[in-house]
Amino acid sequence: GENVEQHPSTLSVQEGDSAVIKCTYSDSASNYFPWYKQELGKRPQLIIDIRSNVGEKKDQRIAVTLNKTAKHFSLHITETQPEDSAVYFCAAPNTGTASKLTFGTGTRLQVTL
Amino acid sequence: SQTIHQWPATLVQPVGSPLSLECTVEGTSNPNLYWYRQAAGRGLQLLFYSVGIGQISSEVPQNLSASRPQDRQFILSSKKLLLSDSGFYLCAWSRQDYNSPLHFGNGTRLTVT
Repeated sequence: GENVEQHPSTLSVQEGDSAVIKCTYSDSASNYFPWYKQELGKRPQLIIDIRSNVGEKKDQRIAVTLNKTAKHFSLHITETQPEDSAVYFCAAPNTGTASKLTFGTGTRLQVTL
Repeated sequence: SQTIHQWPATLVQPVGSPLSLECTVEGTSNPNLYWYRQAAGRGLQLLFYSVGIGQISSEVPQNLSASRPQDRQFILSSKKLLLSDSGFYLCAWSRQDYNSPLHFGNGTRLTVT
């Protein structure tokens, strides 16, 4: 099955700075990589995803990059704001009949004023 | 648009009592359905997934079971709860397409006392 490692486990940045979270995966056949944001006590919500036919995808202040050769992908948040504070999870699919995702262990991002 | 309903939002149950959590999806047909558990401050662990009525796959051996009596209904059960069953339980759905994103319900916070 897929193995996903996520770093760092905690990240503190000042408002306005950039934040980068990195994930590696083990299954070279994986071709879909979503990122989820989970605010305290709430459900994880999909914020951006990327498929292996592109190397980068951007949505306003959020971008994801993918390096299939090295089997890693990263989430980039620019101009961070206090409302970006949350736990972020990366994920990669297991091979199989359903869209089973293996999640990383999460990164707690704290944006300080 | 699709919506996912999960209830109850919170639950406090004594050790040894039964459990039934319910999840329903609206606005889509034949979804894949999932139950995840999240221990406090931890990542997301896949418990069960289903690709159709009556089809349940278990990801980890445990004190829980799942059923899918209708296309858009997914139930998580236990005959006798353990202290270790405490956690945040999340139902999710995805399309049958390979590598479709997961959409989570609001979750049930279960405390076993």
